[in-house]
Amino acid sequence: DTAVSQTPKYLVTQMGNDKSIKCEQNLGHDTMYWYKQDSKKFLKIMFSYNNKELIINETVPNRFSPKSPDKAHLNLHINSLELGDSAVYFCASSQDLGRRGEQYFGPGTRLTVT
Amino acid sequence: AQSVAQPEDQVNVAEGNPLTVKCTYSVSGNPYLFWYVQYPNRGLQFLLKYITGDNLVKGSYGFEAEFNKSQTSFHLKKPSALVSDSALYFCAVREQNFGNEKLTFGTGTRLTIIP
Repeated sequence: DTAVSQTPKYLVTQMGNDKSIKCEQNLGHDTMYWYKQDSKKFLKIMFSYNNKELIINETVPNRFSPKSPDKAHLNLHINSLELGDSAVYFCASSQDLGRRGEQYFGPGTRLTVT
Repeated sequence: AQSVAQPEDQVNVAEGNPLTVKCTYSVSGNPYLFWYVQYPNRGLQFLLKYITGDNLVKGSYGFEAEFNKSQTSFHLKKPSALVSDSALYFCAVREQNFGNEKLTFGTGTRLTIIP
C-alpha cells in the first residue's frame, strides 16, 4: 500500500547511456514532481505535472524529459547520461498543485553514472 | 523570489533536552511554510505546516514550530529529544500566490541526538 513508489531504487550505468525512472502514486493526487538531491543533500525541483500538464520546468538540461501518461504516473527519461547526473532522484505528489498542502515523497532512486 | 535559510548544518542535542532547528525565509508576500524530515536512505516525510491562523503549529512525533512574521522565522522545536529524532531536517517555503507552484527547500540541518 505504498503511497508513492519509484523504480528502480538503485541505478548504476555508464556515461552516454539512456535510462528511465518510473514513479507511481496511489493517493489520488493531481500533481506530481521530480526532485534532484545532490551529494550535499541539496534538494532542487526539476519538473512538476498537474493532471498530465507540465507546470514547472526548471533549468534542467534537455537530456532530461519527463512524461506523464496519466495523473498517477510520472516518469523521467535521461539521455546521454553524464557523471554530474549522479544523484538521488525523488518523485513526489500533492493535491491541488500543493498550494495549501504537503507533498508526499517516494523513497528515491540513487543514480550512479560511471 | 522565495528563499529559505537553515543557518546550522549540524545540531547536536542530548537526549531528553529540548531541541530547536532554525529556519528563516524570504518571500514577497505571505508564506506557506513546511518542515520535512529525511531518515537515512529514505524519502522526505512531512512533519508540519503553517498555512494561516495560530502561529504555533503542532505536527508529527511531538514536533512543533512557531511562525514569527516579524522575524521571518519558522523554527522547529521539540520539548524533549529522542535518539530516534536523529535525521536530516528540511524547512521549505512557498509564497501564497496563485501561479507560483514551486516549493523551495533549505539546505537541511542534520540533527543528532546524543544518548
